[in-house]
Amino acid sequence: GESVGLHLPTLSVQEGDNSIINCAYSNSASDYFIWYKQESGKGPQFIIDIRSNMDKRQGQRVTVLLNKTVKHLSLQIAATQPGDSAVYFCAENYYNFGNEKLTFGTGTRLTIIP
Amino acid sequence: GAGVSQSPRYKVAKRGQDVALRCDPISGHVSLFWYQQALGQGPEFLTYFQNEAQLDKSGLPSDRFFAERPEGSVSTLKIQRTQQEDSAVYLCASSPRTGAYGYTFGSGTRLTVV
Repeated sequence: GESVGLHLPTLSVQEGDNSIINCAYSNSASDYFIWYKQESGKGPQFIIDIRSNMDKRQGQRVTVLLNKTVKHLSLQIAATQPGDSAVYFCAENYYNFGNEKLTFGTGTRLTIIP
Repeated sequence: GAGVSQSPRYKVAKRGQDVALRCDPISGHVSLFWYQQALGQGPEFLTYFQNEAQLDKSGLPSDRFFAERPEGSVSTLKIQRTQQEDSAVYLCASSPRTGAYGYTFGSGTRLTVV
């Protein structure tokens, strides 16, 4: 399949280790944030979301941290597996009637080393 | 089907040609979105439908881009007089509710203008 991104920031992690992917978002008014995973040739796949009234949310093997003071999001993936290799995007939205769109960051390519 | 279906999967168009890209959302989904993803970039919002109503077309880059969803189900993104800068992956997403909550994306149509 085609490459999702050729010149993205990259992160290489040994299989079984934990990984942290960071994202700086742009709009201080944003109140909803999502992490997506995108594999080559596929559309973005929802991983986890968080609202601005929270600073941490956990899922299965994933944790999202939100620091509104510095407009920073992170995605932690525990015990990484080869299937975690993909490009990861953060996305933001601020609730306003009629504003349904997400603004995506530039993405990070995560490579899991077997 | 179980997911968002887009066709064609790949499209090569000569510069100046008109193209039509199709999106079949998940059955019953109210919201439908189109995004454009250039190589190495995150998706960028193009337009949003709630049922058959196009509520936001602020992301359409020029009047050569037109989208419709006449019966509130299938949507078509049309690009007239294609130019090289239109080369990108066009992603469709749908959601069962209004608001930017956990859309499901299709795999996209990769458009190459030569």
